[in-house]
Amino acid sequence: GENVEQHPSTLSVQEGDSAVIKCTYSDSASNYFPWYKQELGKRPQLIIDIRSNVGEKKDQRIAVTLNKTAKHFSLHITETQPEDSAVYFCAASYYGQNFVFGPGTRLSVLP
Amino acid sequence: DGGITQSPKYLFRKEGQNVTLSCEQNLNHDAMYWYRQDPGQGLRLIYYSQIVNDFQKGDIAEGYSVSREKKESFPLTVTSAQKNPTAFYLCASSNTGSGYVNIQYFGAGTRLSVL
Repeated sequence: GENVEQHPSTLSVQEGDSAVIKCTYSDSASNYFPWYKQELGKRPQLIIDIRSNVGEKKDQRIAVTLNKTAKHFSLHITETQPEDSAVYFCAASYYGQNFVFGPGTRLSVLP
Repeated sequence: DGGITQSPKYLFRKEGQNVTLSCEQNLNHDAMYWYRQDPGQGLRLIYYSQIVNDFQKGDIAEGYSVSREKKESFPLTVTSAQKNPTAFYLCASSNTGSGYVNIQYFGAGTRLSVL
């Protein structure tokens, strides 16, 4: 079955710097890769996603890149702000079936 | 809020008691999921259902049971066999297949504690 690894487990950056979180997956059949942001005590919220037919996707300060050959995808946050502090989860899925989540990255943006 | 409603928000279980967590969605999604989240940890899959009257065990199904009698509803029962039920429980749903946007939406969660 699918296995998703995520690094780093914790990340601290200065406000205004960039943050990068990387995930690797094992099943080459996976074709949908979402990223979720979870604030303390709240539900995970989708922030960006990418399909396997696309190499990169951007939404304002957030971007995701996908390398199908190496089976890894990364979340890039530029110009970080204190409100970006949260836990971020990546996931892999085959057409919305059987989502497998990474263990999460706790991002702290220091003012 | 994504059209998924979980209730109750907080639940307390006495020892030896079975409790049921409710999850209802109005998104017309085929697939529904239950996850358990312990403090500071990731999401662990308990059960999932791709279609009405069918469901599969996830990674930590022992001590839990589910039913999927209606497309909109996927209740989770935490049985007395689950010896450490204290956790945050999240329900989710998604559409599956190549013709759909496969976003998985989450409910607001139920926080279960043991008395």
